[in-house]
This record gives sequence, structure tokens and C-alpha cells, in this order.
Amino acid sequence: DTAVSQTPKYLVTQMGNDKSIKCEQNLGHDTMYWYKQDSKKFLKIMFSYNNKELIINETVPNRFSPKSPDKAHLNLHINSLELGDSAVYFCASSQASGGSETQYFGPGTRLLVL
Amino acid sequence: AQSVSQHNHHVILSEAASLELGCNYSYGGTVNLFWYVQYPGQHLQLLLKYFSGDPLVKGIKGFEAEFIKSKFSFNLRKPSVQWSDTAEYFCAVNAWGSGGYNKLIFGAGTRLAVHP
Repeated sequence: DTAVSQTPKYLVTQMGNDKSIKCEQNLGHDTMYWYKQDSKKFLKIMFSYNNKELIINETVPNRFSPKSPDKAHLNLHINSLELGDSAVYFCASSQASGGSETQYFGPGTRLLVL
Repeated sequence: AQSVSQHNHHVILSEAASLELGCNYSYGGTVNLFWYVQYPGQHLQLLLKYFSGDPLVKGIKGFEAEFIKSKFSFNLRKPSVQWSDTAEYFCAVNAWGSGGYNKLIFGAGTRLAVHP
């Protein structure tokens, strides 16, 4: 009964490769997010989608391209991976995009770029 | 720009000790405030949140937080910690992103270690 799921859980790859991370939520939420957590545990929003439309894009390099095929899915594709992309990536969802909404997080995808 | 400061990066306590984790934010408008917890190897989950009403908010597992508007603070408290409270704690505030949508700004986190 996982509410927000991500695949893969771990991803080890070489610099320059392209990779994707998938996220699915079964909560019926309208809004989904991608966050990056760096090695110091600092958590920063990257993107947010509301009903499949991009609503937040936080100055993320254009090597990162989110895609939302439907409102239950938000995938993250990363081109030309760099060492600095190594981090834990969390997907989250909320009922709506309002300020008081609780966000529900996935288990994270630990990306290591060698 | 909106920001969230968590003063303690690492806190070490013995079981049954009282806990207070500081959180201050900078944002001039109406705020919604959150505390999230990340247990070792697990995902973030909500402890409690404030968006209106009583400034003393009670959350899960005996945690509470008090919103003090004049101090721009939202400190997290627990009267008696347990070993199972060992985790990373994140304070967050909602902020307006580009296009008029809300986003969460997280603090840097406080790592709590509770020793038996």
C-alpha cells in the first residue's frame, strides 16, 4: 500500500550518462514534486507539477527534465550526468498546491555518479 | 528571499531528556509552518504543521511546536525523548514560487541522536 513510490531505489552510473527516475502516487493527489537532498541533508525543491502542468521550476539545469504523463506520475530524466548530481532525489505529492497542504514523500532514489 | 534557519545541526540527548529544536524563518506574509522527520533509512514524514488557530500545535509521537509570530519562530519540543526519536528533523515554511504557486522551503535539518 505504498502511497508514493519511486524506482529505482539506488542508481550508480558513470558521468555523461542519461538516466531516469520514476515516481508514482496512489493517493489521488493533484500536485507532485521533485526534491534534491545533498550530502549535507539539505533538501531543496526542484520542480512541481499540478494536474500534469509544470508550476515550479527552481533554476535547475536544463539537463533535468521532468515529465508528467498523468497526474499520478512524475518522472525525472537527467541528461549528461555530472558528479555534482550525486544526491538523494525525493518525489512527493500533495492534495493541492496550496500553502497548508501536507506533502507525502517517497522513499528516495540514491544517485551516485562516478 | 524566504529562508528557514535551524540553529542546532546536531543534538545528542539521553533517553527521558527534554528536547527543544529551534526554527526561525524569514517571511513577511502569512505563513504555514511544518516539521518533518526522517528516520534512518526512511522517507520524510510529517510530524506536525501550523496554518491557523492555536499557535501551540500537537503532532504525532508526543511532539509539539509553538508558533511565535513576533519571534518568527516555530520551535519543536518533546518533554521526554526516546531512543526511537533518533532521526533528522526538518523545519519548513511555505513560500510563494514563481507563477504564484506555493513551495516549501526547508531548513538544513537537525540530527538528533538519543542514547539509551
